[in-house]
Amino acid sequence: SQTIHQWPATLVQPVGSPLSLECTVEGTSNPNLYWYRQAAGRGLQLLFYSVGIGQISSEVPQNLSASRPQDRQFILSSKKLLLSDSGFYLCAWSVSGGWYEQYFGPGTRLTVT
Amino acid sequence: AQSVSQHNHHVILSEAASLELGCNYSYGGTVNLFWYVQYPGQHLQLLLKYFSGDPLVKGIKGFEAEFIKSKFSFNLRKPSVQWSDTAEYFCAVTPAGGYQKVTFGTGTKLQVIP
Repeated sequence: SQTIHQWPATLVQPVGSPLSLECTVEGTSNPNLYWYRQAAGRGLQLLFYSVGIGQISSEVPQNLSASRPQDRQFILSSKKLLLSDSGFYLCAWSVSGGWYEQYFGPGTRLTVT
Repeated sequence: AQSVSQHNHHVILSEAASLELGCNYSYGGTVNLFWYVQYPGQHLQLLLKYFSGDPLVKGIKGFEAEFIKSKFSFNLRKPSVQWSDTAEYFCAVTPAGGYQKVTFGTGTKLQVIP
C-alpha cells in the first residue's frame, strides 16, 4: 500500500533562517505531488505541484520554492523565512494523469519567530 | 477558474442529530467533486467522491453526498452523527477530464456533543 511521509512534524525557526521540508511517497510510481498550506478558516492553499522529476508549477508567488529531485521526493524550501510563512504545510500525492483524489501526509507545523 | 463555498464554518450538533453541510461550487463545465475529512490529530483523508453516474454517492462511516447539477451543489449528509464525527470537513472541486487543479473550500468544523 501507499504511504506518504513528511518531516519534521513540527519546526520552530527564526525569521531570516532557511527552510527545508521533505515529503516522500512509498508504494507508487510517478505520482503527482503537491504542497499545500492550511490556515485556520482559509482552507487549503495550493502552493506547488509536480507531475514529474524536475517539473514544478507554482501557484502562488511567495517566499517559498519547491523541488523534486527524485520521483517520490518533494521538497519545500525557503532561503529566508518570513513571519508570514508560519502555518501548517501539507504534502499530498495522487495518481498521475489528472487531479483525482489526493492522499495527504501528516503535515508540518512551522512557526517562524 | 473554479471556486468552492462552504457556508457553515462551525456547526455544533448533539449526538444522533442529522447533519447536512453545504457545498456550492462555481464552474461552467463538468466537474469532479470531493469531500475530505480531518479528524483531530489525523491526516486529511477522502470521505467520498463524485466523478459521474449516480448523483447520490456514499462514503465511509455512513456519510453520503448528493450532486445537484442545477444548483451547483454537493452537500454532505449523515442521518445520525456520533461524537467520533467531530472533525473538520472540506469540500473540493476540479474540472473533469483535464489536468486542472483541485480547489478546496474553507472547511466546516463539526463539533458533536455527547
